[in-house]
Amino acid sequence: DTEVTQTPKHLVMGMTNKKSLKCEQHMGHRAMYWYKQKAKKPPELMFVYSYEKLSINESVPSRFSPECPNSSLLNLHLHALQPEDSALYLCASSHGLAGLVYEQYFGPGTRLTVT
Amino acid sequence: DQQVKQNSPSLSVQEGRISILNCDYTNSMFDYFLWYKKYPAEGPTFLISISSIKDKNEDGRFTVFLNKSAKHLSLHIVPSQPGDSAVYFCAASYSGNTPLVFGKGTRLSVIA
Repeated sequence: DTEVTQTPKHLVMGMTNKKSLKCEQHMGHRAMYWYKQKAKKPPELMFVYSYEKLSINESVPSRFSPECPNSSLLNLHLHALQPEDSALYLCASSHGLAGLVYEQYFGPGTRLTVT
Repeated sequence: DQQVKQNSPSLSVQEGRISILNCDYTNSMFDYFLWYKKYPAEGPTFLISISSIKDKNEDGRFTVFLNKSAKHLSLHIVPSQPGDSAVYFCAASYSGNTPLVFGKGTRLSVIA
């Protein structure tokens, strides 16, 4: 099973709403990632969790709050977003063993629209 | 400063012919390279990778070539099929499970 699942597929939210994006993998991967992708651009890394601890935060605004409740789950909590935050949000996972590089497997993404 | 560059935004190829997608990088620390394929409204799908200790890796119709001295890699798809039409991203990393650095992508259209 090489699947990363993400819910919801689509989300429309107002600037005052609070919502969460969810990501799940059952491949035993210990590194999980959040990316943001705008149209015609490459994925931009937001956060990396390694062994359920936040290891990289690419200077993401605090209106995005990641959470890793366990080794299979990754959430992204959203609050007071701006219209320019509308994008495809991708979750990915990899083996995450230190000193080795593994492929990242991506989920299908959540298409977020902020109105 | 873009560390991974895909200088061709798009490429059109006849079905059955070879597709060659190119990628250049500037960071000599990179030692692991990957190609991803992306359909609209889907997440990127891993295709093939190559470590810097190799200069070629093959998987079915897909072959990746690495020229370390030129800091250049290419993805060859042969024969190209209409289902290969997608955006292809080149990505690079270096040892220690560092995050991937993506190129901007090349849109491949395979014409029947």
